[in-house]
Amino acid sequence: ETGVTQTPRHLVMGMTNKKSLKCEQHLGHNAMYWYKQSAKKPLELMFVYSLEERVENNSVPSRFSPECPNSSHLFLHLHTLQPEDSALYLCASSQDGTGGIGEQYFGPGTRLTVT
Amino acid sequence: ILNVEQSPQSLHVQEGDSTNFTCSFPSSNFYALHWYRWETAKSPEALFVMTLNGDEKKKGRISATLNTKEGYSYLYIKGSQPEDSATYLCAPFGESYDKVIFGPGTSLSVIP
Repeated sequence: ETGVTQTPRHLVMGMTNKKSLKCEQHLGHNAMYWYKQSAKKPLELMFVYSLEERVENNSVPSRFSPECPNSSHLFLHLHTLQPEDSALYLCASSQDGTGGIGEQYFGPGTRLTVT
Repeated sequence: ILNVEQSPQSLHVQEGDSTNFTCSFPSSNFYALHWYRWETAKSPEALFVMTLNGDEKKKGRISATLNTKEGYSYLYIKGSQPEDSATYLCAPFGESYDKVIFGPGTSLSVIP
């Protein structure tokens, strides 16, 4: 595997379900991100992990819970979602440092539908 | 960084035409300007990262310029091809993660 992978690619879940999205990066990067793309809205940053430590939580509701067990893996745990949470969820990684935030390498995304 | 604007929202050009679009952003707290291309059913792909006022970068038929003092960047595509059809996103990044903002994108369709 190369680049950034995400599973599953599609997910349909009920509002009472618990599910997890998985992201893996094979690039040796030190930062990982979760983004949300809702219909007709710009790409929106949700969470950032730098060196496995959460450094940004962009006012995301607690029904979304990220986890970064190591520098290559990132999870997004979903619990009691609402229909308006239906969106494309993209994972990205970058090599960040004194030069600032590096260019983002994106995964293919998970298309989530909440029923 | 708030209020990132991209214009036009969408455009259709004939194969072979050259085109350009604009990204506007507040110039304060700016650190770097990223451009991404997002083709349908694929992942966004980085085109350029620019930091310096007056910076100009080129990749094949695509080039970009940056004006940090007035807060805008232009993306140019010379001799558009159908494979250039995509949404082009700009993202002015601040120095910290709380200033990661993506623009709404410009959707380009190149008609063969």
